[in-house]
Amino acid sequence: AQSVSQHNHHVILSEAASLELGCNYSYGGTVNLFWYVQYPGQHLQLLLKYFSGDPLVKGIKGFEAEFIKSKFSFNLRKPSVQWSDTAEYFCAVNAVGSGGGADGLTFGKGTHLIIQP
Amino acid sequence: DAGITQSPRHKVTETGTPVTLRCHQTENHRYMYWYRQDPGHGLRLIHYSYGVKDTDKGEVSDGYSVSRSKTEDFLLTLESATSSQTSVYFCAISSDRVGGYTFGSGTRLTVV
Repeated sequence: AQSVSQHNHHVILSEAASLELGCNYSYGGTVNLFWYVQYPGQHLQLLLKYFSGDPLVKGIKGFEAEFIKSKFSFNLRKPSVQWSDTAEYFCAVNAVGSGGGADGLTFGKGTHLIIQP
Repeated sequence: DAGITQSPRHKVTETGTPVTLRCHQTENHRYMYWYRQDPGHGLRLIHYSYGVKDTDKGEVSDGYSVSRSKTEDFLLTLESATSSQTSVYFCAISSDRVGGYTFGSGTRLTVV
């Protein structure tokens, strides 16, 4: 079974600072990778996803993530954060291939990001 | 929002009572999932369905059962609610299980 580790549980930044949230996964096979955002009181929204191809993936709201296969990592980045980026961020994986995929996404525990004006 | 609706949105129930949460989709997606979200745990899979009457257990299935008699509806039942089942429950749907997943707005359940 796969697992996901998010390194930072709470991150506090000032507006315009750069952001990088770490995500590592554990799985021996091929995976699809996702970052979701959850604004206060809302449901999860997809920020970006990686299935194959270019390991640098661009998502909505200026976010991007880089898949580094050798490091089993899929870190989320944004060059300049805004107050409206305050939210919970979840990294998730989904196994590909036989025996995998049907059982949905495996999530990390989340990173609570607070952007101070 | 993307054709997925959860009901009720909020519920308070007493320990020992049965509770059923409903997830309804209008997307005709094959795969449906129930997750619970708890602080410090992220989202954990309770049960999932890969078709009508085809369901399976997830990571935290104890104390929960599900049913899917129609493509559009996936019901989650807490057979005898306990305080440890106080949580926010999210339903998700997917057309091809490895692609995109769309989440509902959640049900906040409090067991007193």
